[in-house]
Amino acid sequence: EEQLLESGGGLVQPGGSLRLSCAASEFSFSSHAMAWVRQAPGKGLEWVSGISGSGENRYYADSVKGRFTISRDNSKNTLVLQMTSLRVEDTAIYYCASDQYRGGLVWGQGTLVTVSS
Amino acid sequence: QSVLTQPPSVSAAPGQKVTISCSGSTSNIGYNYVAWYQQLPGAAPKLLIYDSDNRPSGIPDRFSGSKSAVSATLAITGLQTGDEADYYCGTWDSSLRAGVFGGGTKLTVL
Repeated sequence: EEQLLESGGGLVQPGGSLRLSCAASEFSFSSHAMAWVRQAPGKGLEWVSGISGSGENRYYADSVKGRFTISRDNSKNTLVLQMTSLRVEDTAIYYCASDQYRGGLVWGQGTLVTVSS
Repeated sequence: QSVLTQPPSVSAAPGQKVTISCSGSTSNIGYNYVAWYQQLPGAAPKLLIYDSDNRPSGIPDRFSGSKSAVSATLAITGLQTGDEADYYCGTWDSSLRAGVFGGGTKLTVL
C-alpha cells in the first residue's frame, strides 16, 4: 500500500520560511504526479501546488505563486515544498498527495504549519 | 468561494441513501477526472471514488459516483453512523491550470 510521510512543519513568524518534505514508499514514485494540499483550521481543502512525475511541469495556486516552490527528487522518492514569505493565512495542515488513480489522490497524514508572531 | 459547488450539509437516517452533488464547469468537471474524498474527524482525507465512478480496492460498493456534463454526484447507500464525515469532490481545472476542490459537505447520520 502506498505510503506518504510528511515532515518539516512547525511554528514560524510572518515573513519567515519553511521547508516541507514528503517521503514516499511502496509505489513507483517517479511514475506519479504529486501535489500539496492544505487545510486551514476548521476549513475545507485547498490545492496548493502540483508537479508531474518527471518534475518538468509545476503548477501553483494563485495564493502561493511566487512564494512557494515545489520540487521532487525521484532518486530519493521525496517531494519538497519550499515556502517563503509566509503569511498568517498560510497556517494549515499541509498534506502530501499522490495521483495514483486517474485524478484520484492518495494522502499522507499531514504536517501542521503555524504562522504567528 | 470554491470553484466546485457542494451543499454545506446533508443528513439521513441509518440504512437510508444520501446523495451529494458537485457542480462545476466545462474547464473542470466537464473535461477532467472527478474524485471524491471522505474525511473523518481528525483524520486525513481518504479516496472514495476516482474517474467519476470507480472505487479503489477496499472501498465498499455502498459508495458510488456518477458524472453528467459539468456535475458529479456521490451516492451512499445503507448509511451507517461511521459514515458521518466531511465529503469533498476534486478535479483539475484546465483553465486555471490548478487542482480544485468543492467546499465540502458535512454528512450527518441521524
